[in-house]
Amino acid sequence: AQRVTQPEKLLSVFKGAPVELKCNYSYSGSPELFWYVQYSRQRLQLLLRHISRESIKGFTADLNKGETSFHLKKPFAQEEDSAMYYCALMRASGSRLTFGEGTQLTVNP
Amino acid sequence: DVKVTQSSRYLVKRTGEKVFLECVQDMDHENMFWYRQDPGLGLRLIYFSYDVKMKEKGDIPEGYSVSREKKERFSLILESASTNQTSMYLCAAAGRLAGELFFGEGSRLTVL
Repeated sequence: AQRVTQPEKLLSVFKGAPVELKCNYSYSGSPELFWYVQYSRQRLQLLLRHISRESIKGFTADLNKGETSFHLKKPFAQEEDSAMYYCALMRASGSRLTFGEGTQLTVNP
Repeated sequence: DVKVTQSSRYLVKRTGEKVFLECVQDMDHENMFWYRQDPGLGLRLIYFSYDVKMKEKGDIPEGYSVSREKKERFSLILESASTNQTSMYLCAAAGRLAGELFFGEGSRLTVL
């Protein structure tokens, strides 16, 4: 069975500092990986997916199959990045997502 | 954008009551999901449906059932609510672009 682990429940950084939200997964096949974000009082929404290889709101994430990781990074954090972030995995053959426990990011002024 | 609407934002029920959580989506998406969201546990899949009248168990289906009589509507049913079902419940819909889920605002259920 697949599993997604986000080791940090809380992460606090100062504005302008780099930020990295960690995500590790276990799955024997070739998964697709996603990051979802939930801002305060807003719906959970897709931030980015690894196959797109794009930067969204300054965030990037690289799939490292050797380390089975999909860490989310941003070189200069902004206060508006404060939110709950979830890493998610989808099996190659299916449509259901398995989510991690989430990381609450706080960017301090 | 897909609009997913959950009819009840906040509910308070008593132990043993039957609870219905309704979810409607407006973009003709095939796949619909029910998750519960708990601090420290993330999102856990309860049930999902890939077509009308079709359903599959997720990771934590015990104590829950679902109904999908129409494509746009996916209901979560708690036959006999218990205090450990106090949680935030999130409905989501997804189309052919697998992995892109559109979520509702959530239904916060408190069972006393």
